[in-house]
Amino acid sequence: LAKTTQPISMDSYEGQEVNITCSHNNIATNDYITWYQQFPSQGPRFIIQGYKTKVTNEVASLFIPADRKSSTLSLPRVSLSDTAVYYCLVGEGLTGGGNKLTFGTGTQLKVEL
Amino acid sequence: EPEVTQTPSHQVTQMGQEVILRCVPISNHLYFYWYRQILGQKVEFLVSFYNNEISEKSEIFDDQFSVERPDGSNFTLKIRSTKLEDSAMYFCASILTSGGRGTEAFFGQGTRLTVV
Repeated sequence: LAKTTQPISMDSYEGQEVNITCSHNNIATNDYITWYQQFPSQGPRFIIQGYKTKVTNEVASLFIPADRKSSTLSLPRVSLSDTAVYYCLVGEGLTGGGNKLTFGTGTQLKVEL
Repeated sequence: EPEVTQTPSHQVTQMGQEVILRCVPISNHLYFYWYRQILGQKVEFLVSFYNNEISEKSEIFDDQFSVERPDGSNFTLKIRSTKLEDSAMYFCASILTSGGRGTEAFFGQGTRLTVV
């Protein structure tokens, strides 16, 4: 599984756009990039997944440059409730029931008024 | 929206006792997992389960741990003789497919295990 590097923490204010970048220099051809969100004392929650270019859903956008060695999670107009840890994961589904998710330390996003 | 449910939400047990943590994965999912998170630390993989058998386990998942899917809906994690260091949040997760797009994992709310 490709190793990922992301900032340990970020601070923002309500209404701002937040961009969290993740580096994954040794991403493999078959790897997808997936982001999860975790609130305190809750399980991680899937946010978005992409392979290349841009993916957008109702929660976030994911920007992936052509070389795929990094990706940026973009949260538009954050609110206090977006305060959470955000994890970037890179990997492919493995045959035989793999798909083990390897979580790093994530990025602690703190949103203030 | 379908969800993974875990019971109990909180369990306190004495050191050396056996505990069973229960999970009901999403009904049409095929791959099941247990993860744990010690307070303030990373989410750690314990074990994956597919086709009624363990497909992968971490070094944390030693002989004290076992998993079972006894009735086609429940998925359980048993810790035979708990230690203080087993105190953590335990998360169950399930995934529909094995590869590529659509491999997002759905996590339960967790069971907080406290060993005293």
